[in-house]
Amino acid sequence: DTAVSQTPKYLVTQMGNDKSIKCEQNLGHDTMYWYKQDSKKFLKIMFSYNNKELIINETVPNRFSPKSPDKAHLNLHINSLELGDSAVYFCASSLHLTSGGAREQYFGPGTRLTVT
Amino acid sequence: SQQGEEDPQALSIQEGENATMNCSYKTSINNLQWYRQNSGRGLVHLILIRSNEREKHSGRLRVTLDTSKKSSSLLITASRAADTASYFCATHAGTGRRALTFGSGTRLQVQP
Repeated sequence: DTAVSQTPKYLVTQMGNDKSIKCEQNLGHDTMYWYKQDSKKFLKIMFSYNNKELIINETVPNRFSPKSPDKAHLNLHINSLELGDSAVYFCASSLHLTSGGAREQYFGPGTRLTVT
Repeated sequence: SQQGEEDPQALSIQEGENATMNCSYKTSINNLQWYRQNSGRGLVHLILIRSNEREKHSGRLRVTLDTSKKSSSLLITASRAADTASYFCATHAGTGRRALTFGSGTRLQVQP
């Protein structure tokens, strides 16, 4: 059973296009995330939702808009794609915080976005 | 700014040897986590160590945490070719944010 799934796995598109990436988790988690991994493997948080509420919004261009229709889904829509958007995008989920801090996160397989 | 930085950036060892990776961070943390990423795959959680813990074991993995030095190490004993992957440390700071801050990773190659 897939815990965190993303579609599509690969996305090749031209500059200026609009595209979406979908994410679903069946773990019963209440928090979901989007990360961007660049060519040097550096992983950076973009957004986080808890129970459909946006709780983290890093300095990401407003061309990126996350949407969480319910706790199990977090989609990422990107407008006017640019060359610099090429990267691997990971969705992740976790349970809520404890007194000991953030819980372990479960990652999807990633979406490799190539903008030409 | 990048919270965790792993050292070394790359490590190549023979099967059966031990592999040690280090992570340094800058601010106070609630916990520190280690993840593995196989090529072309998502990250997989390995182990979580809280700020009041000094050492933790899970199978062939041993993690230490020294909050006074703001550093952690991951030891993989009796390595196998299947351990070949990138290993990342991630910290959760006590800011109320739920996000983890990841380091740049150590690429481990285990030669059969």
